[in-house]
Amino acid sequence: KNEVEQSPQNLTAQEGEFITINCSYSVGISALHWLQQHPGGGIVSLFMLSSGKKKHGRLIATINIQEKHSSLHITASHPRDSAVYICAVTGNQFYFGTGTSLTVIP
Amino acid sequence: KAGVTQTPRYLIKTRGQQVTLSCSPISGHRSVSWYQQTPGQGLQFLFEYFSETQRNKGNFPGRFSGRQFSNSRSEMNVSTLELGDSALYLCASSLAGPTSMNTEAFFGQGTRLTVV
Repeated sequence: KNEVEQSPQNLTAQEGEFITINCSYSVGISALHWLQQHPGGGIVSLFMLSSGKKKHGRLIATINIQEKHSSLHITASHPRDSAVYICAVTGNQFYFGTGTSLTVIP
Repeated sequence: KAGVTQTPRYLIKTRGQQVTLSCSPISGHRSVSWYQQTPGQGLQFLFEYFSETQRNKGNFPGRFSGRQFSNSRSEMNVSTLELGDSALYLCASSLAGPTSMNTEAFFGQGTRLTVV
């Protein structure tokens, strides 16, 4: 069983749509991270959160510690948002979800 | 300021050889952590170094090792390479380490290792 489960695995959206990616975890954590990986491999840290909600531009991340669940929302999606989004949690080490491959079509 | 630099970016090695990868963290960051990414297993944590000491280790065989120098630069070594070691190896630097609260990690572009 994976410590971090993400859904959906693949997602195709039309430009402008509201997108939600979900993450559930089963281990005790000190923080949850949302990462973005573009083709070519580079990873960018989008959010790090341990409670509540964070917003950066069109991106919103929420976490519910009691339910061990987090969501990443993208409002008004754009083709440049096309990437793999990875949920990761840190406890005694880093645990990663398998990623959600997002394609936004113009 | 300069980001995290990994060298080399691409590498082809033969089974049985060994390889050393390098990671230069952001200036002032004392933690460097290493990750392996493969299509089948996704991202997996290898180990973390902080102030020249290995602080955490993932579930990888002893063929995978690393070290950190006094300037925080880190190297990762894989001995007796196997075909399954073909992967993208990423490092990340942070002030206090990925398992510390409120510490953002900055990733390098990775080294793509192909074992033939």
